[in-house]
Amino acid sequence: QKEVEQDPGPLSVPEGAIVSLNCTYSNSAFQYFMWYRQYSRKGPELLMYTYSSGNKEDGRFTAQVDKSSKYISLFIRDSQPSDSATYLCAMSHGNNRLAFGKGNQVVVIP
Amino acid sequence: GAVVSQHPSWVICKSGTSVKIECRSLDFQATTMFWYRQFPKQSLMLMATSNEGSKATYEQGVEKDKFLINHASLTLSTLTVTSAHPEDSSFYICSAETGVSGTEAFFGQGTRLTVV
Repeated sequence: QKEVEQDPGPLSVPEGAIVSLNCTYSNSAFQYFMWYRQYSRKGPELLMYTYSSGNKEDGRFTAQVDKSSKYISLFIRDSQPSDSATYLCAMSHGNNRLAFGKGNQVVVIP
Repeated sequence: GAVVSQHPSWVICKSGTSVKIECRSLDFQATTMFWYRQFPKQSLMLMATSNEGSKATYEQGVEKDKFLINHASLTLSTLTVTSAHPEDSSFYICSAETGVSGTEAFFGQGTRLTVV
């Protein structure tokens, strides 16, 4: 079983819709949970990170962590065409080694 | 946020030659730098962890004699793909870490390597 599972299936949504992404993980030692956005042929850029369980909101983005279920989510409200990218979840124990999911390609259709 | 510059952004080389990729932290000193490899529609796979002035730590299955990593200063790490073969064609990405939690990792723009 991989440490981090993220269904890589592409996701197409109309502009203005809510995008919902999620990852599951198997290692209960993970404490930091990150979401990265990666545009085509570019390096990932950090969107948000959460420490331990709970919700975190930043503008149109909300990250949720449920450690009891080993499940994390990212929600994008009022999606825009500029949000079209691949979104990767990543996790760490706090030792700066990151374990990544496969990423979800999101396409927001105008 | 902090800036990590990776160069070149793309390179095409002949089979059997070597290619060097540079990763620089432009406005901060990175205690640790990481090298990843990413295949199309796949996750980032950690290849090695690099600390300034010491030998890199390679992940299982990564050939250290093929992927040479040098971390000569707190702002520069290099990855050299030696005797490249077509199967080494991939997207290589570096990151530089300013902290220890993994939440302060900044990524370079990646290098697309094509071996012909």
